[in-house]
Amino acid sequence: GESVGLHLPTLSVQEGDNSIINCAYSNSASDYFIWYKQESGKGPQFIIDIRSNMDKRQGQRVTVLLNKTVKHLSLQIAATQPGDSAVYFCAENRGGATNKLIFGTGTLLAVQP
Amino acid sequence: EAQVTQNPRYLITVTGKKLTVTCSQNMNHEYMSWYRQDPGLGLRQIYYSMNVEVTDKGDVPEGYKVSRKEKRNFPLILESPSPNQTSLYFCASSLFSSGSRYNEQFFGPGTRLTVL
Repeated sequence: GESVGLHLPTLSVQEGDNSIINCAYSNSASDYFIWYKQESGKGPQFIIDIRSNMDKRQGQRVTVLLNKTVKHLSLQIAATQPGDSAVYFCAENRGGATNKLIFGTGTLLAVQP
Repeated sequence: EAQVTQNPRYLITVTGKKLTVTCSQNMNHEYMSWYRQDPGLGLRQIYYSMNVEVTDKGDVPEGYKVSRKEKRNFPLILESPSPNQTSLYFCASSLFSSGSRYNEQFFGPGTRLTVL
């Protein structure tokens, strides 16, 4: 199996509960943020994004909150399901001409049945 | 199906034996990038390409080469692999222009490389 989940902060939740995964970013110039989900043996998969001119964005069962004052992002997953078990990464786009993403180290979400 | 493909998915090789990992996307994306993923270090960018014949170094380019002769392909070349290049590699692509960079990057399934 993949070793990407080792050495990561782990959030363990019960099936049906809400999950909140947090991420701090470092550059106040970053103006675009993305949450990715990575399941074992797969590449990162886009979940939701948010631009810096927004504080909140909602998708299907997911909500991203952005607090620019403290440079903090959170991903909320409602009614967590076993299929949500994965590593979650936040990524910041620092602008400029390179489209470069800076990734956090990730959080392992473990959903208990 | 819109996707990014990588080959091979798994590779075990020996120090010094040149290898190429291929990456192809069918979404007509301008931007392509290679990342490596290591435990505790997350995803780090190796090289990227803004368009055909335009490539540049990322954060960890040492020991790697790339080329972008066609829009859809972006191979990663290890001329003389070493054990510290043992890692999980991902190719990604996105629709990108100077006027609109708020586009997600789509990732391939990954290539697990072991250099002995």
